[in-house]
Amino acid sequence: GQNIDQPTEMTATEGAIVQINCTYQTSGFNGLFWYQQHAGEAPTFLSYNVLDGLEEKGRFSSFLSRSKGYSYLLLKELQMKDSASYLCAVRDSNYQLIWGAGTKLIIKP
Amino acid sequence: ETGVTQTPRHLVMGMTNKKSLKCEQHLGHNAMYWYKQSAKKPLELMFVYSLEERVENNSVPSRFSPECPNSSHLFLHLHTLQPEDSALYLCASSQDYASHTGELFFGEGSRLTVL
Repeated sequence: GQNIDQPTEMTATEGAIVQINCTYQTSGFNGLFWYQQHAGEAPTFLSYNVLDGLEEKGRFSSFLSRSKGYSYLLLKELQMKDSASYLCAVRDSNYQLIWGAGTKLIIKP
Repeated sequence: ETGVTQTPRHLVMGMTNKKSLKCEQHLGHNAMYWYKQSAKKPLELMFVYSLEERVENNSVPSRFSPECPNSSHLFLHLHTLQPEDSALYLCASSQDYASHTGELFFGEGSRLTVL
């Protein structure tokens, strides 16, 4: 079966750096997405990786290794507003999106 | 503001009621989706419409009935639901179905409680 694994919950300190990992086993690969979802709000798109390597976008970066079935989302200079759930999703060979259960990130002062 | 609006935001209904969820997108997108989000579970894709035609129905019980009257509007009609159907129902849209980047734009969801 197809599977996405990511930690259920992580805690980090304001101003620090946190890395949220995502491993996947899917039928083919056509891109990996990260979304951010604040409590009670809509998920919003953060990043898209289809080639190996690091994509940087301000304080957020996303890394992909297709050979390892692995991605991470790196958040730098953490702010309280970064407290949210982070969803990893992989598009398989049929262009179906397979979702992880999300990682709840708690930022402490 | 994501450009996708869902109403109502909260809904409580009994198992014998009939209600509908509404979604409207103002982005000119061609594809619209219904997802179910339960606590600590992955998003579950329920239905996909592309250019107003249903392209996916992922073994969803018949007590959920989608309707897409035009490319901007999507409904989810609910009847004789079960308590386990209580969840957050998210509507999303994308430029095209299975497009190259496939970025989804989500609404804020309708929180459904079935008593």
